Amino acid sequence: AQSVTQPDIHITVSEGASLELRCNYSYGATPYLFWYVQSPGQGLQLLLKYFSGDTLVQGIKGFEAEFKRSQSSFNLRKPSVHWSDAAEYFCAVGAPGTASKLTFGTGTRLQVTL
Amino acid sequence: DGGITQSPKYLFRKEGQNVTLSCEQNLNHDAMYWYRQDPGQGLRLIYYSHIVNDFQKGDIAEGYSVSREKKESFPLTVTSAQKNPTAFYLCASSMADRGSYTFGSGTRLTVV
Repeated sequence: AQSVTQPDIHITVSEGASLELRCNYSYGATPYLFWYVQSPGQGLQLLLKYFSGDTLVQGIKGFEAEFKRSQSSFNLRKPSVHWSDAAEYFCAVGAPGTASKLTFGTGTRLQVTL
Repeated sequence: DGGITQSPKYLFRKEGQNVTLSCEQNLNHDAMYWYRQDPGQGLRLIYYSHIVNDFQKGDIAEGYSVSREKKESFPLTVTSAQKNPTAFYLCASSMADRGSYTFGSGTRLTVV
């Protein structure tokens, strides 16, 4: 069965500092990988996705993520955080090839201090 | 603009009553999903459907029911058998050949 671990429940960074959110997955082969962002009381918005190919993927809002097969990781990064990035971030994994149920991590809440 | 609409945004019900949450999409997506979100637990899959008139149980289907009579609609009924129904419910949809979801804005259900 597929699973996702986000080891950091809560992270606080200063505005302008760099950010890395960790995501580790468990899956038998190379899965589809996603990062979503959720503002309080809202639905989730897709930040970026990895299906295959280049292991460094670019997303919206200046985010990027790197797929590392050897570490079963898909960490999310941003070089300079803005106060508006404060939200909850979810990593998700799915079986490749067809629409399938995604498994989500428990999320990392990002707080940005001014 | 295409999107996925959940209604109502807030819902209050008395214990023992069934309640139906609406989810409608105009994205022409084949697949639709219902997730439940509780603090600290992430999203847990309740039911999903890849085609009309067919759906499958997710990880926490007990106490819930769904229907998929139209491609655009995937309503979720929270029955009185659901022991702890108070939660934030999210509906999502996707194309058949892609895994990335489009989410609705959610329904917060409070049972008193």
